[in-house]
Amino acid sequence: NAGVTQTPKFQVLKTGQSMTLQCAQDMNHEYMSWYRQDPGMGLRLIHYSVGAGITDQGEVPNGYNVSRSTTEDFPLRLLSAAPSQTSVYFCASSYRTGSDEQYFGPGTRLTVT
Amino acid sequence: GDSVTQMEGPVTLSEEAFLTINCTYTATGYPSLFWYVQYPGEGLQLLLKATKADDKGSNKGFEATYRKETTSFHLEKGSVQVSDSAVYFCALSDNAGGTSYGKLTFGQGTILTVHP
Repeated sequence: NAGVTQTPKFQVLKTGQSMTLQCAQDMNHEYMSWYRQDPGMGLRLIHYSVGAGITDQGEVPNGYNVSRSTTEDFPLRLLSAAPSQTSVYFCASSYRTGSDEQYFGPGTRLTVT
Repeated sequence: GDSVTQMEGPVTLSEEAFLTINCTYTATGYPSLFWYVQYPGEGLQLLLKATKADDKGSNKGFEATYRKETTSFHLEKGSVQVSDSAVYFCALSDNAGGTSYGKLTFGQGTILTVHP
């Protein structure tokens, strides 16, 4: 199993540009989520999905869109990048219950200039 | 809302020293508690967890006990190694109503550096 994979590993965008961060998992997990990691703030939940076709907002959803057309994939879209979105982004997946381990991808470091 | 507070860092220790990283939480339901570790340049990985009061999670010499009366989940290790240098995150998943779907609330992270 490859686990949770993310692409790209690094990305530099100019303000106003759009892009999609890719996330895929091969463990047949129902639950997938996106977090951003900023210094001194831990990880904060952006969006999550409890299954194909179902998504919902987390703590910091503004400026981001998601969709879940398959169990395996959960892309994160930035429609118009802003410097405040400079961060490290992690995708995670798990089985459904709250006590299950979440498996994290290696992260995408995004810089918006 | 739910929140997790970790002791302020960073923490610098000599090899074989005793480690404690404090973690306290607030939650509306009956949360599961986790410690995740992030090694340099990598994603997070689960270190240990506890799902109910008085449970003790343990792994790789690390331990933490779920204390409902003090709403705490402190991480301890009796003798740290250089290879333990990493960022440690305390987190909770609030199982209220059984519908948390694994949404995690994280503490701010504690950077641990262990010197030879």
